[in-house]
Amino acid sequence: QVQLVQSGAEVKKPGASVKVSCKASGYTLTSYHMHWVRQAPGQGLEWMGIINPSGGGTSYAQKFQGRVTMTTDTSTSTVYMELSSLRSEDTAVYYCAVVRLVPPYWGQGTLVTVSS
Amino acid sequence: DIVLTQSPGTLSLSPGERATLSCRASQTVSSDLAWYQQKPGQAPRLLIYGASSRATGIPDRFSGSGSGTDFTLTISRLEPEDFAVYYCQQYASSPLTFGGGTKVDIK
Repeated sequence: QVQLVQSGAEVKKPGASVKVSCKASGYTLTSYHMHWVRQAPGQGLEWMGIINPSGGGTSYAQKFQGRVTMTTDTSTSTVYMELSSLRSEDTAVYYCAVVRLVPPYWGQGTLVTVSS
Repeated sequence: DIVLTQSPGTLSLSPGERATLSCRASQTVSSDLAWYQQKPGQAPRLLIYGASSRATGIPDRFSGSGSGTDFTLTISRLEPEDFAVYYCQQYASSPLTFGGGTKVDIK
């Protein structure tokens, strides 16, 4: 069955970077684009960007341009999202999602806490 | 970007009552619309995809309808565990966008 398993919670200091992984199984990674979405405490859901694991093409939300990088390791069926220059407002749960599968699938979420 | 507008913002109902939640898109999303339920401290739970298909394990009191720009999530008889926040999400085009949510709380 399809699974998207994300890496564990992270605590980072302001200015640092965080790299969250999303390991896919149960389907062919390169057949579907993967999205990243985040949710800050008490807030709604916010799209960060999309990666095409076949070729690595990306598109990022303007808000995160210059700070986010999404990559793929097809040998391990893993997609990564790295966010740099972290600030307190980046404290959130980060999700990977494959929405063109039927049904859509989401990872379990990774809590990233940014605190000095 | 496609804007999703959910209404009402809050719905106060009693267990056993019917809940009707609305989601309107700023442009057509065909049937590429999903509904999620979220409880405090939990990840969003997929309820409905393709506008009207129930996800695995979702009780049949949840139903989705609509296509194009107007969508509805109906909970036929509210159970105590249904009091939560509900989001609609379109996946017709990038960026994915989400409605602002409807909170269903106990009257």
